Amino acid sequence: DVKVTQSSRYLVKRTGEKVFLECVQDMDHENMFWYRQDPGLGLRLIYFSYDVKMKEKGDIPEGYSVSREKKERFSLILESASTNQTSMYLCASRDSNNSPLHFGNGTRLTVT
Amino acid sequence: QKEVEQNSGPLSVPEGAIASLNCTYSDRGSQSFFWYRQYSGKSPELIMSIYSNGDKEDGRFTAQLNKASQYVSLLIRDSQPSDSATYLCAVHHSGGGADGLTFGKGTHLIIQP
Repeated sequence: DVKVTQSSRYLVKRTGEKVFLECVQDMDHENMFWYRQDPGLGLRLIYFSYDVKMKEKGDIPEGYSVSREKKERFSLILESASTNQTSMYLCASRDSNNSPLHFGNGTRLTVT
Repeated sequence: QKEVEQNSGPLSVPEGAIASLNCTYSDRGSQSFFWYRQYSGKSPELIMSIYSNGDKEDGRFTAQLNKASQYVSLLIRDSQPSDSATYLCAVHHSGGGADGLTFGKGTHLIIQP
């Protein structure tokens, strides 16, 4: 079974803090993704990566950056957290373009 | 803009009945279709993948794909209270490359004991 592990289940941060969300997958998948999910808005793609050191903006990249130094690890960075970034963050991976996504358990981030 | 539409519900179904969830998509060239189940506060869990027209069955779940009409559906037979969740439809649209997965906003299903 594919395992996608997100480092934190719950996080509480203050406005202006730099926040790191870590994600690791154990199936040697090429593609990795970061989504956020908010009530009424569904899943929205923030960034994705199709290879080590490669990254592409998704639909809502503003206020975020990412890092993929190793194939198994994809990090989401909030440079200066704001209250409108309070959300559920979901990491996912897949092995090819037509394959399904496999999600981690999610990180519920609260910015106060 | 490639879109995936689902009725948000809630869809209420008595225990033991068949639950029918529907999804339409805008891109005629879409290639791959997925159903995810999401319990409240949890992450989406893949329950079905379908790639060609027709039906695909897995236990109590059947996915149906009709590319000509651009819809995909999920049937849940012998519905159980544990099936109560939000069901997300996801579509890999044509030319989407590495990012080409679009999600619907989900249908909230309630199975009444």
